[in-house]
Amino acid sequence: QKEVEQNSGPLSVPEGAIASLNCTYSDRVSQSFFWYRQYSGKSPELIMSIYSNGDKEDGRFTAQLNKASQYVSLLIRDSQPSDSATYLCAVRGTGRRALTFGSGTRLQVQP
Amino acid sequence: DTGVSQDPRHKITKRGQNVTFRCDPISEHNRLYWYRQTLGQGPEFLTYFQNEAQLEKSRLLSDRFSAERPKGSFSTLEIQRTEQGDSAMYLCASSLVSEGENEQYFGPGTRLTVT
Repeated sequence: QKEVEQNSGPLSVPEGAIASLNCTYSDRVSQSFFWYRQYSGKSPELIMSIYSNGDKEDGRFTAQLNKASQYVSLLIRDSQPSDSATYLCAVRGTGRRALTFGSGTRLQVQP
Repeated sequence: DTGVSQDPRHKITKRGQNVTFRCDPISEHNRLYWYRQTLGQGPEFLTYFQNEAQLEKSRLLSDRFSAERPKGSFSTLEIQRTEQGDSAMYLCASSLVSEGENEQYFGPGTRLTVT
């Protein structure tokens, strides 16, 4: 079992729709959770961080964390073609500074 | 705030040669990380520094790899006797020590191709 799992996609949504990206992790005591966006050929860009159970909203993005289910998700409202990218979920375990990444979900927003 | 910078952006080398990459973190950040990313995968952790101290190394960091951060500012990653399997994007990230947080910001990466 991978430490951080994501569906590789592609996830295809029409412009203006809500895109829902999911991630599960295996280390029950993980503390910090991050979503990065990565355009093809570019480096990861931090878009959201979440540390406690519940929802965290930032503009069109909402991160959701459920530690009991070991599940973190990212919702993108009013999806735009410019949101088309790979979205990486990253987790920091207890006592560590390194992040463990999933393999990413490729999102395609159709105009 | 100029962000994390890395140099060079691209490097092509022949198998068996040594290569060195440089990373300059965001100026007030005292933690610096190296990751490696291959096509279709997420970044994999290699090592990290807090100030000049190298505090954690991954098992991925074989003895051909060495990293330094001599004055707690920029860092270098050297790969000796490169192999074709070393071809990857090498990413540097930095973060600021703060209570419980660890938001890491990545540089543009150095793409290494070993022929």
